[in-house]
Amino acid sequence: DAGVIQSPRHEVTEMGQEVTLRCKPISGHDYLFWYRQTMMRGLELLIYFNNNVPIDDSGMPEDRFSAKMPNASFSTLKIQPSEPRDSAVYFCASSFLRGETQYFGPGTRLLVL
Amino acid sequence: AQSVAQPEDQVNVAEGNPLTVKCTYSVSGNPYLFWYVQYPNRGLQFLLKYITGDNLVKGSYGFEAEFNKSQTSFHLKKPSALVSDSALYFCAVRDTPGGYNKLIFGAGTRLAVHP
Repeated sequence: DAGVIQSPRHEVTEMGQEVTLRCKPISGHDYLFWYRQTMMRGLELLIYFNNNVPIDDSGMPEDRFSAKMPNASFSTLKIQPSEPRDSAVYFCASSFLRGETQYFGPGTRLLVL
Repeated sequence: AQSVAQPEDQVNVAEGNPLTVKCTYSVSGNPYLFWYVQYPNRGLQFLLKYITGDNLVKGSYGFEAEFNKSQTSFHLKKPSALVSDSALYFCAVRDTPGGYNKLIFGAGTRLAVHP
């Protein structure tokens, strides 16, 4: 298995632009998680899905952030408009129902200028 | 609410010496506990987990962790540290026993192994 796949690996954009991050979970996994990691705030859970349905989006910082999971093999995290404070590494992770262990992707390093 | 604490921001150890990275937890019900490692510019990698059973859990790369219910601790250990073990280590607890798979992560402990 290829593991969790994220794209792009690096993204540099200007303030105000729309940013879309993509994730392909491990095949057969029922849960998908989006995290953000910064030096100041550490690892934060933004949102997670179970069977493509958003379960908890309380970690999404504001309305500029949105996430979708149109099918079991694809999810997006969108920031519109982006701001410099959104600069971070964004991770996607997936897990089995009742499997507990989350498997992380390599992350997308986002820099908003 | 479930929570974990990693009391040390950084741990320094000489290569070949034993290492311990500390984690304490607070849960209602039986704890589901995890350790992850993050190497520079990489995602988190699963090391080991405790669900039930033997209090000493063995994981990847020679790491092990000891579950101590009375002290509510789940410390990560390795008998002989390698320079390549230098990384950021996260302890985590599952948020809702029997429920969804949301994990609560600690702040992380940076392990530096010196030659």
